Amino acid sequence: AQSVTQLDSQVPVFEEAPVELRCNYSSSVSVYLFWYVQYPNQGLQLLLKYLSGSTLVKGINGFEAEFNKSQTSFHLRKPSVHISDTAEYFCAVTLPRSSNDYKLSFGAGTTVTVRA
Amino acid sequence: NAGVTQTPKFQVLKTGQSMTLQCAQDMNHEYMSWYRQDPGMGLRLIHYSVGAGITDQGEVPNGYNVSRSTTEDFPLRLLSAAPSQTSVYFCASSPMVNQPQHFGDGTRLSIL
Repeated sequence: AQSVTQLDSQVPVFEEAPVELRCNYSSSVSVYLFWYVQYPNQGLQLLLKYLSGSTLVKGINGFEAEFNKSQTSFHLRKPSVHISDTAEYFCAVTLPRSSNDYKLSFGAGTTVTVRA
Repeated sequence: NAGVTQTPKFQVLKTGQSMTLQCAQDMNHEYMSWYRQDPGMGLRLIHYSVGAGITDQGEVPNGYNVSRSTTEDFPLRLLSAAPSQTSVYFCASSPMVNQPQHFGDGTRLSIL
């Protein structure tokens, strides 16, 4: 069973428009949530994380995400994108397997292409 | 700070050859892992380690071996390369699995 689902595989967007990338996960217990960005021919970099506390999380480069426990979602948003935001974005979730064991799962990724 | 260093960056192998992908981190992280990235499939976990001397299998371990003799190093061995192992391989580390991962720049591996 898939633990993390990114609902859009590709998102084309015009420069200065807003963007939302959707991520849902399968778990009824507490989780840790992450968004990573991968620029072409590079490794993954952390955009933001939710470990506890406020459900609205702000990250680097103007991105933010909101944790919604009832909908088991962690959608990523940016109000105005730049050409440089063209990249692949991965949602990741750490799910507990036992009292002291966790499993980290990644979504399949969303490719964002920003056009002028 | 070097972070996570992967070598080589590129490699071409023939079917049946063996090789080792190197991964080293200088952050004293206990948790290290190897992923492969294929188009449309995201990152799939191959093997992971929660500390020196401890390794375990991930989702796609077949055809790969790992060892963790030191905290810093976590090499990935391909025993007998197959075309299906053509992929981009990433090593990652973190203090614990439920904390943000630090990724290397990847190794692009082609098996002919």
